[in-house]
Amino acid sequence: AQSVTQPDIHITVSEGASLELRCNYSYGATPYLFWYVQSPGQGLQLLLKYFSGDTLVQGIKGFEAEFKRSQSSFNLRKPSVHWSDAAEYFCAVADTFGNEKLTFGTGTRLTIIP
Amino acid sequence: DAGVTQSPTHLIKTRGQQVTLRCSPKSGHDTVSWYQQALGQGPQFIFQYYEEEERQRGNFPDRFSGHQFPNYSSELNVNALLLGDSALYLCASSLGSQTQYFGPGTRLLVL
Repeated sequence: AQSVTQPDIHITVSEGASLELRCNYSYGATPYLFWYVQSPGQGLQLLLKYFSGDTLVQGIKGFEAEFKRSQSSFNLRKPSVHWSDAAEYFCAVADTFGNEKLTFGTGTRLTIIP
Repeated sequence: DAGVTQSPTHLIKTRGQQVTLRCSPKSGHDTVSWYQQALGQGPQFIFQYYEEEERQRGNFPDRFSGHQFPNYSSELNVNALLLGDSALYLCASSLGSQTQYFGPGTRLLVL
């Protein structure tokens, strides 16, 4: 069965600093990978997705992620964070192109300090 | 263009009661998925509806059931509520097998 691990429960970053959130997946075939963001009391917003092709994918709000098959990773990055980036970030994997069932990690809570 | 909408936003029930949550998909979407997000956890897949049929189901008991209507909207029903059913229930819609877009959720508290 597929699974997703987000090793960092909570990360604190200074405003303007760079950010990297880690995500490792377990899946036998080609994974379909996603990053979602959840602000307090809100639903999930899709940041970016990887299905195939270029392993570096660009998303909204200045985020990018890199798929590394050899490391089973799909880490999310942003060169300079803004206070509005404070939220919970979830990595997810789907077992088919149709992402009929998303399996999520437990999330990483991002805190931004001035 | 309205996104995914869910109702109610919050509700409180007592153990043993039944609850119905509602979801209207994003315009043009025909597939609805439901997820349960317990406090401090990632969302867990409950089931997905397409063409008014349950297409796939996660590891949830039969107390959790659903329905999809001809206009693609959907309901999630939970019977015999347990304290452990307290969670944020998220609905996601998609066009067939495309990317899922999530609603704001319904927060259920079971006392």
